[in-house]
Amino acid sequence: DTGVSQNPRHKITKRGQNVTFRCDPISEHNRLYWYRQTLGQGPEFLTYFQNEAQLEKSRLLSDRFSAERPKGSFSTLEIQRTEQGDSAMYLCASSLENITGALYGYTFGSGTRLTVV
Amino acid sequence: AQSVSQHNHHVILSEAASLELGCNYSYGGTVNLFWYVQYPGQHLQLLLKYFSGDPLVKGIKGFEAEFIKSKFSFNLRKPSVQWSDTAEYFCAVNTGRRALTFGSGTRLQVQP
Repeated sequence: DTGVSQNPRHKITKRGQNVTFRCDPISEHNRLYWYRQTLGQGPEFLTYFQNEAQLEKSRLLSDRFSAERPKGSFSTLEIQRTEQGDSAMYLCASSLENITGALYGYTFGSGTRLTVV
Repeated sequence: AQSVSQHNHHVILSEAASLELGCNYSYGGTVNLFWYVQYPGQHLQLLLKYFSGDPLVKGIKGFEAEFIKSKFSFNLRKPSVQWSDTAEYFCAVNTGRRALTFGSGTRLQVQP
């Protein structure tokens, strides 16, 4: 396993359509995170999972956004009724939390660039 | 709540110049601190991280950072930059079991 994999790399969609992105984390990592990044800004946290449990959601994650990690492995992020303001790079990261709570190997994927027209 | 400030938004240096990028965080408790780099068209890569111990942390590609608890700072340094260091640099913090919170980034441009 060479890293965090995200698909697709690019997605162009019309306003109002639904889109779904996939993230495959590093296999031994138990944590998976979703971030959003716009031009000239740092990544903004959206949500994260510990195994299959969604432990935290940012207030940025509106009702139109939903994320799942059904078997504690890959994750999907769905955006319903897309708006032009959703255009951004969506980043996935994974890490390993050990028994003491320390985080190791916080690694990012290449992202999915969403353009809403 | 954890937050990070990067005051230098755009830095332009000539090759061989020394670099220092500022990073301040706001959280009174124990923190873990990170610097990531994003080269043009590439994904975020970890440069270095601080969890505990020696406050002077050495990372990859000749970068280092110093954690100064009294100043809530974790500045990134490099004695002599190269053209290939042109990139965006992000400071990040996490506390407890929370996800990383990133600063807005500093765009570094190194002129040959």
